[in-house]
Amino acid sequence: ETGVTQSPTHLIKTRGQQVTLRCSSQSGHNTVSWYQQALGQGPQFIFQYYREEENGRGNFPPRFSGLQFPNYSSELNVNALELDDSALYLCASRTAGTGDYEQYFGPGTRLTVT
Amino acid sequence: GQQLNQSPQSMFIQEGEDVSMNCTSSSIFNTWLWYKQDPGEGPVLLIALYKAGELTSNGRLTAQFGITRKDSFLNISASIPSDVGIYFCAGREGNDMRFGAGTRLTVKP
Repeated sequence: ETGVTQSPTHLIKTRGQQVTLRCSSQSGHNTVSWYQQALGQGPQFIFQYYREEENGRGNFPPRFSGLQFPNYSSELNVNALELDDSALYLCASRTAGTGDYEQYFGPGTRLTVT
Repeated sequence: GQQLNQSPQSMFIQEGEDVSMNCTSSSIFNTWLWYKQDPGEGPVLLIALYKAGELTSNGRLTAQFGITRKDSFLNISASIPSDVGIYFCAGREGNDMRFGAGTRLTVKP
């Protein structure tokens, strides 16, 4: 167990709706990254937050947005859901300046859009 | 989309056999990473590679960073049933990390 938790575990939404996914970082970690993992694919980088600001973004449209809170927990918001948004959403936390072995993934939230 | 080509897509092997999988990219990366993902869990880092030509071992796992910086391979020696899972390669440049589509490994006792 990594100490990174995500909620909810599963979620079903309808096309056009909005969704908020939550991530609680491992204690002491101040950087969080979000990934989208479609079925049968590897994770795709969405964005990263450090000190409550986005400091890196992958090839995702603006309807994917995020927040990081002073306690370093994070949210991923997706507006105007599309069927292709159905995926496992992973967050990963680390402390800035530490190495790759110090980044830990959560178990993910499986989102189904119907 | 995916920039990394990972092969094979799946492997069915007998316990005790060695396994080899590889990853190629159209882009250069400064870091190559190999992860394992079990059902219902996030990926767990197995090996990180930071220098072209680097060969690194972690127990029965050995990985190499290709000298062109566009490829990497992972070997697993003397496989055991708990090696079952999906293995992902990833190339990282700054904050941007690109993953392969994964190699699904099945180990028959």
